[in-house]
Amino acid sequence: DIQMTQSPSSLSASVGDRVTITCQASQDISNYLNWFQQKPGKAPRLLIYDASNLETGVPSKFSGSGSGTDFTFTISGLQPEDIATYYCQQYDNLPAFGQGTNLEIK
Amino acid sequence: EVQLVESGGGLVKPGGSLRLSCAASGFTFSSYSMYWVRQAPGKGLEWVSSITTGSSYIYYADSVKGRFTISRDNAKNSLYLQMNSLRAEDTAVYYCAGGYNYNYWGQGTLVTVSS
Repeated sequence: DIQMTQSPSSLSASVGDRVTITCQASQDISNYLNWFQQKPGKAPRLLIYDASNLETGVPSKFSGSGSGTDFTFTISGLQPEDIATYYCQQYDNLPAFGQGTNLEIK
Repeated sequence: EVQLVESGGGLVKPGGSLRLSCAASGFTFSSYSMYWVRQAPGKGLEWVSSITTGSSYIYYADSVKGRFTISRDNAKNSLYLQMNSLRAEDTAVYYCAGGYNYNYWGQGTLVTVSS
């Protein structure tokens, strides 16, 4: 099974900051990677699919990049409403999520 | 408007069974693979099971293989998860998800396995 290593597990940043989260796959997954946002008590929301494609209706401040085993998710200009937990997920093989990154405002 | 509405969660004793349902509307249910994803209290997301459009291909996480059965009824726009031999570690919110790439999610249903 493919393992996803996501880092950091938690992150504190200031309003307006550029925030970056990384995800590493245990083997090549091409670009079969999603990024999700989950707010407390809510279902996850798809933000990025195929590693770098912005889901319809998602603000362009969210972006993703990478292929193979190394992936990056970026929020440009952090706002209070971005406080959430973010997850990567590979779907090249049996799906697997990263451990999540809990994002807080400093 | 796309809606996925889960039902069937509740409190069950270890070793017991539950059947979760997910009613879909607002999109062409029969055209998309569907998934169950769970989240234990205070923990991350865990993929549980997937089923393709015509039920030809079905996959399970190792943690539930042999105990859970996913199924769908395209005529009723519904997804199901039959859960048998439940364990305390199956306690979680269970989400159904689908669409072209997990872009549709339900609100989740809580399953608590406890004596």
